[in-house]
Formats: sequence, C-alpha cells, structure tokens
Amino acid sequence: GQQVMQIPQYQHVQEGEDFTTYCNSSTTLSNIQWYKQRPGGHPVFLIQLVKSGEVKKQKRLTFQFGEAKKNSSLHITATQTTDVGTYFCAGGGLSGNTPLVFGKGTRLSVIA
Amino acid sequence: KAGVTQTPRYLIKTRGQQVTLSCSPISGHRSVSWYQQTPGQGLQFLFEYFSETQRNKGNFPGRFSGRQFSNSRSEMNVSTLELGDSALYLCASSLAQIQRETQYFGPGTRLLVL
Repeated sequence: GQQVMQIPQYQHVQEGEDFTTYCNSSTTLSNIQWYKQRPGGHPVFLIQLVKSGEVKKQKRLTFQFGEAKKNSSLHITATQTTDVGTYFCAGGGLSGNTPLVFGKGTRLSVIA
Repeated sequence: KAGVTQTPRYLIKTRGQQVTLSCSPISGHRSVSWYQQTPGQGLQFLFEYFSETQRNKGNFPGRFSGRQFSNSRSEMNVSTLELGDSALYLCASSLAQIQRETQYFGPGTRLLVL
C-alpha cells in the first residue's frame, strides 16, 4: 500500500536559521497536505498542494510539490520560537476514497 | 463555527476493560476519521465514517470499532484493552471525501491503560 516517508525525524535549530522537512511517497499522489502540531496540541491544517510542481508561500513558510507528485517539502526561513512543533505531511492517493496517509512527522525545536 | 469536540479528554483504564470515545464534528461535516497517535508511530489511521457508513479501515485489530450516528457524531470503542493501546486518539472531520478535504482535528482523548 501507499507509504509516506518523512525526514528528518527531529531537527534542532538556532533561532534565525532555516529549516526544511521532506516528504516522499511510494506512489503518485493526488494531493499533499501539511499540518502542524504544537506540543500538547492537535494537528492543524497548514496548506494543500494539488498541481505538479506547485509552490505556495505563507509568510516565512514555502511549500513545494514535486513534478512527479511523489514528493514535497516545507521550508521555513529564519525560524522563530513560535515555529516549534511537529510538522506532518499527508498524501492523498489517486484511487477512489482511500484515506490520507500521514508521514511520521518532523519535530522541530528552536533554540533561542 | 464550533470546532471538533472530543470527550472525554483524559481517561485511565486497566487492561481488559473497554472504552468508548466520542467525537462531535464541525457542523455540516459528514466525514469523521479516527487516528491513533503514539510517540514512535506518528498518526495511524483507524477508520473513516461518512453518512453513517464505514468507508475505510486501517490496519488495526477487531478490538477497535466505531460507528457514526445520523447527526454525524461518531464513537469509537476499544474492547479488551492492552497496555499498547495507551495513546492519544484523535478525531478529525471533513466536509466530504477524505482524500482532498482538509482534516479538522479535535483536541484528542488521551488514554492511559494500566
């Protein structure tokens, strides 16, 4: 079945440094979604990418969907302490009503 | 609009007991999905309900079951609890088809099995 791998598992950065997390699917995706979970909280939707090669920006966050629609990345420029949390990608398969498959997440720590 | 609500928020049970968790989706959302979250395994899909019908099921034993009511509220049940069932159980609602729809997560029920 479809698998979504996410790396790295953990990332510690100094405040002001950049951060990137990568998501790779074993199969072609119909769409990819990104979620953020703050410590002690629940996942919150950030964005959805649908088109091949799509790039979307939200302030300091840049999301990319690969040309083959099998990989994606989230890049944060100049991290802040408010960026702390776990970032999950979730891929939608091509066929029917199959559920989203979540990556295991990347836990980001930001050292002030 | 009120968000997804889950009750109870915290639960302590002993091995062999059973537990029922409840989820109320956002008004107008007809799809409810359940996930188990543990530190080592991330978010694992349990099942999805749409219009009272189970449409998808994850790779969990039959001890895990669920249902959805006509008002879209959903419950999940775990029978014969095991220590490994200790986890955060998250419910998420969406408007319709799970693949393309944004998942709106509830705060979760934290279950501890002793």
